[in-house]
Amino acid sequence: GEDVEQSLFLSVREGDSSVINCTYTDSSSTYLYWYKQEPGAGLQLLTYIFSNMDMKQDQRLTVLLNKKDKHLSLRIADTQTGDSAIYFCAVKDTNAGKSTFGDGTTLTVKP
Amino acid sequence: EPEVTQTPSHQVTQMGQEVILRCVPISNHLYFYWYRQILGQKVEFLVSFYNNEISEKSEIFDDQFSVERPDGSNFTLKIRSTKLEDSAMYFCATRTDGTGYTFGSGTRLTVV
Repeated sequence: GEDVEQSLFLSVREGDSSVINCTYTDSSSTYLYWYKQEPGAGLQLLTYIFSNMDMKQDQRLTVLLNKKDKHLSLRIADTQTGDSAIYFCAVKDTNAGKSTFGDGTTLTVKP
Repeated sequence: EPEVTQTPSHQVTQMGQEVILRCVPISNHLYFYWYRQILGQKVEFLVSFYNNEISEKSEIFDDQFSVERPDGSNFTLKIRSTKLEDSAMYFCATRTDGTGYTFGSGTRLTVV
């Protein structure tokens, strides 16, 4: 089955850029998502990208997809303390309804 | 912005008891899911539901679990005889064609 890997922790200073990385194994993955989870809260969809795209930008968020390497990244520009949360990468193929989630990357933003 | 609503937000139950977790999907969404997240662990797929039937389920979703859409609006997850290891955050998610999931805020189930 699909395997999704993320590094577990990232710490940055306020105002810097954050880059959260994700790798996946199934090349048929078509929908690739980034979710944010604040402590004790649910999963908030931040952005998603289709596999026929290389990049998607949405305000401070930039998603880059390297299909050849099966690598997805989320860049947060001008990171703020309110961005501190766990960020989950999730992938889905066109045939399966389910998404497979990574372990989540805990982003800590220091003032 | 449309929301997926889950109730209750927190449920405490005794081991062996039945629980029903409720979800109200976004009205035009067609695909419904339950995921769970044990504290500190990754989000795990339980089951997907489409056209009034289960379309896929994981090995976690054994005979103790069931789902239904009793009245065309609610989407429920029932655990027949809860075990300690069922303690987790349970998330309902819904989507329609071409969109990502919208997750509810979750039900924290504590089995004592």
